[in-house]
Amino acid sequence: EVQLVQSGAEVKKPGESLMISCKVSGYSFITHWIGWVRQMPGRGLEWMGVIYPGDSDTRYSPSFQGQVTISADKSINTAYLQWSSLKASDTGMYFCARQSDNYGYFDFWGQGSLVTVSS
Amino acid sequence: SYELTQPPSVSVSPGQTARITCSRDDLPDQYVHWYQQKPGQAPVLVIYKDIERPPGIPERFSGYSSGTTVTLTISGVQAEDEADYYCQSGDSTGIYYVFGAGTKVTVL
Repeated sequence: EVQLVQSGAEVKKPGESLMISCKVSGYSFITHWIGWVRQMPGRGLEWMGVIYPGDSDTRYSPSFQGQVTISADKSINTAYLQWSSLKASDTGMYFCARQSDNYGYFDFWGQGSLVTVSS
Repeated sequence: SYELTQPPSVSVSPGQTARITCSRDDLPDQYVHWYQQKPGQAPVLVIYKDIERPPGIPERFSGYSSGTTVTLTISGVQAEDEADYYCQSGDSTGIYYVFGAGTKVTVL
């Protein structure tokens, strides 16, 4: 059974750093792209970027390039989303998801990680 | 930047047909995929590559593509289909992907 299990909710202050995780099981981690999707409160889904854990090839949406870092540790089947300096506007739910093949659709999703940034 | 346009809302009576459109501003050289999201839950893939239905998705969900518009159709709508629906597609390079703004389907 394919599973993506994300780390828990976080409450941070502006300027702090944060890394959230997505641990996968039930398939070969290194052969599928993993993506991150943001959903701000009451808003729609936003495609942030993807990583191919096999070779760490990473692609970012222009909207998120330079704002976050996506990484993966194939030794523990885990993908990460990282901020070096959080802003209040980073508040939202963040989902990881498995990209099935080269057509970009996400067939399995994590449960989401809620990030709250507030002073 | 590449954009996908969806209607903000669609209302439908139980048993009727809901049609949700997703319009692209260029030629359709990338597939469109559809997700259903209920409050407090992660999205669920309901249609991929314009017309394909994943295992476990009811047959009442179908997809259709014509020109620069792709349509998600829910036939015989049920109360449990009330949710937000998002389309997704890639730009011409197939490297970057975007979601539409979402359509809220209300079952009257």
